[in-house]
Amino acid sequence: EGHLVESGGGLVQPGGSLRLSCAASGFIFSHTYMSWVRQAPGKGLEWVGTIKQDGSETSYVDSVKGRFTISRDNAQDSLYLQMNSLRVEDTAVYYCVTESWYVIHSWGQGTLVTVSS
Amino acid sequence: QSALTQPPSASGSPGQSVTISCTGTSSDIGGYNYVSWYQQHPGKVPKLMIYEVSKRPSGVPDRFSGSKSGNTASLTVSGLQAEDEADYYCSSYAGFNNLVVFGGGTKLTVL
Repeated sequence: EGHLVESGGGLVQPGGSLRLSCAASGFIFSHTYMSWVRQAPGKGLEWVGTIKQDGSETSYVDSVKGRFTISRDNAQDSLYLQMNSLRVEDTAVYYCVTESWYVIHSWGQGTLVTVSS
Repeated sequence: QSALTQPPSASGSPGQSVTISCTGTSSDIGGYNYVSWYQQHPGKVPKLMIYEVSKRPSGVPDRFSGSKSGNTASLTVSGLQAEDEADYYCSSYAGFNNLVVFGGGTKLTVL
């Protein structure tokens, strides 16, 4: 199983931006679909988006399309989530996860993003 | 995208069986055999329990089983144990643009 460590969370004002990072180890990162999943405080899980192994394709949940961008650096075994135009409803713990055939196998510990004025 | 529908709570006594349902549409659960179930204890990271409707990852007890009929998937926990008390989430592939959709979660209480 992979080891994933997220960073970059914090407090940001509505309309602001934040970039999350995820450092991966213990598996062949460049061969693995990667995704971000979020969980609002006390709420359920929500898939945010996925990026193909080579970074050539991405998919996003409708609520973040046009605002969030997932990217990766296979040379650095790193995944990123650029979040722009943040809204209060984006407040959540963001998990970096490995995905294979729509199944999440490994989860990071998560990083908390709080959007508040 | 609409979340899959799960009952908010379920319960059973130790040793009993409990089944949690997860209802979607023909565009997700009914259209593909890519249903997964995750267990999440309070303050912990979710853990994969079932994938591709009924397959168990190594290390998951065979007390956990999954099935699907039409647009509804189910997770059955047999021989309930205290450590099974947790939140359970279903998920499904939902097509090329939507990829993955989760259920709202079910809190399982072992009485």
